[in-house]
Amino acid sequence: NAGVTQTPKFQVLKTGQSMTLQCAQDMNHNSMYWYRQDPGMGLRLIYYSASEGTTDKGEVPNGYNVSRLNKREFSLRLESAAPSQTSVYFCASSGLVGTDTQYFGPGTRLTVL
Amino acid sequence: LAKTTQPISMDSYEGQEVNITCSHNNIATNDYITWYQQFPSQGPRFIIQGYKTKVTNEVASLFIPADRKSSTLSLPRVSLSDTAVYYCLVGDMSTGFQKLVFGTGTRLLVSP
Repeated sequence: NAGVTQTPKFQVLKTGQSMTLQCAQDMNHNSMYWYRQDPGMGLRLIYYSASEGTTDKGEVPNGYNVSRLNKREFSLRLESAAPSQTSVYFCASSGLVGTDTQYFGPGTRLTVL
Repeated sequence: LAKTTQPISMDSYEGQEVNITCSHNNIATNDYITWYQQFPSQGPRFIIQGYKTKVTNEVASLFIPADRKSSTLSLPRVSLSDTAVYYCLVGDMSTGFQKLVFGTGTRLLVSP
């Protein structure tokens, strides 16, 4: 049981390049989330997927797109990377109805030059 | 979504009890209070969650007064490994889906 996994761990992009961050969970959770965390700051929600087949914008969605590929996988795409998107990106998932909690992946450290 | 306010930083020494208080004046009836811990270069990790009164687990205790407008995370006998950022969050857990708002958290530094 790996929990939440993210790839890659590190990435350096040039301005204007595109890339996809991958996230997978093996806990059979319904909901998945993408956050970004800038230095010294808390996490900000980019996009979320309440259940398979649905996605919605969070607090800071501009410049990103997401795909809920299936129940396990939720990807985040940067179509044209900008230096302002330099951050650490965390994926999380949460489970069934009730007082459940979010489980976070190890993060992807992205630098856009 | 209810906003939370917590101290930016706290210092402690090994073996002491640490209490971190969080203010959430606009908490709603269905909201639960959850605390997460984050070590450098890692994702946040769930510590404890509660709705009212007191909750205790193997890691911490959570005290919530009757009006629920604040809560206190208590870490007994902290060690150096408890140095981390602690986030207080308030959200409706009744549906299982959580749209949580992380503030800047409380940076706890434990010294020898």
